[in-house]
Amino acid sequence: KNEVEQSPQNLTAQEGEFITINCSYSVGISALHWLQQHPGGGIVSLFMLSSGKKKHGRLIATINIQEKHSSLHITASHPRDSAVYICAVSYSYGQNFVFGPGTRLSVLP
Amino acid sequence: NAGVTQTPKFQVLKTGQSMTLQCAQDMNHEYMSWYRQDPGMGLRLIHYSVGAGITDQGEVPNGYNVSRSTTEDFPLRLLSAAPSQTSVYFCASSSRTSGLSYNEQFFGPGTRLTVL
Repeated sequence: KNEVEQSPQNLTAQEGEFITINCSYSVGISALHWLQQHPGGGIVSLFMLSSGKKKHGRLIATINIQEKHSSLHITASHPRDSAVYICAVSYSYGQNFVFGPGTRLSVLP
Repeated sequence: NAGVTQTPKFQVLKTGQSMTLQCAQDMNHEYMSWYRQDPGMGLRLIHYSVGAGITDQGEVPNGYNVSRSTTEDFPLRLLSAAPSQTSVYFCASSSRTSGLSYNEQFFGPGTRLTVL
């Protein structure tokens, strides 16, 4: 059974700081997904990646397939980035997604 | 496109009552799923479907039923509500890649259910 782990569990940063959230998994995957959930809000997909690096605005996601590890970086963090960030993996042949426990980020002004 | 819609947004039930949470998507996605999210826990899969007429159990299926008569709709039925089913419920959908894996999931806004 694949386990998806995230670190840290909780993170508090000052506005403007560079933030890194890590995700690791134990079994080979088809793709890795980063999701964002604001307090009391819905869940949105930020990235889906199977290799390399993707960038969207101030968010950057990287994946190292050999090491089974992914990172989500936020540059110039802002209080509106405060949310829970969830790592999830998907597999070949239609197996279900597996989710990590989430990282709760608070960015203070 | 409306994406994934869920109704109701909030619901309070008494123990033993039954109800149906509605979920619909207009993106022609094959894969649909129901998750529950509890404080301090990640998303847990209740039931899923890979196409009309095909459903299967996830990690926590007890007390819930699903059906998929059309591609668009995937309702979740609580047969006899229990306080342990107090949770936030999310419906999600996804399309398949050419390699039979799944693309990004689109989530509904969630239903906050309280069972007294």
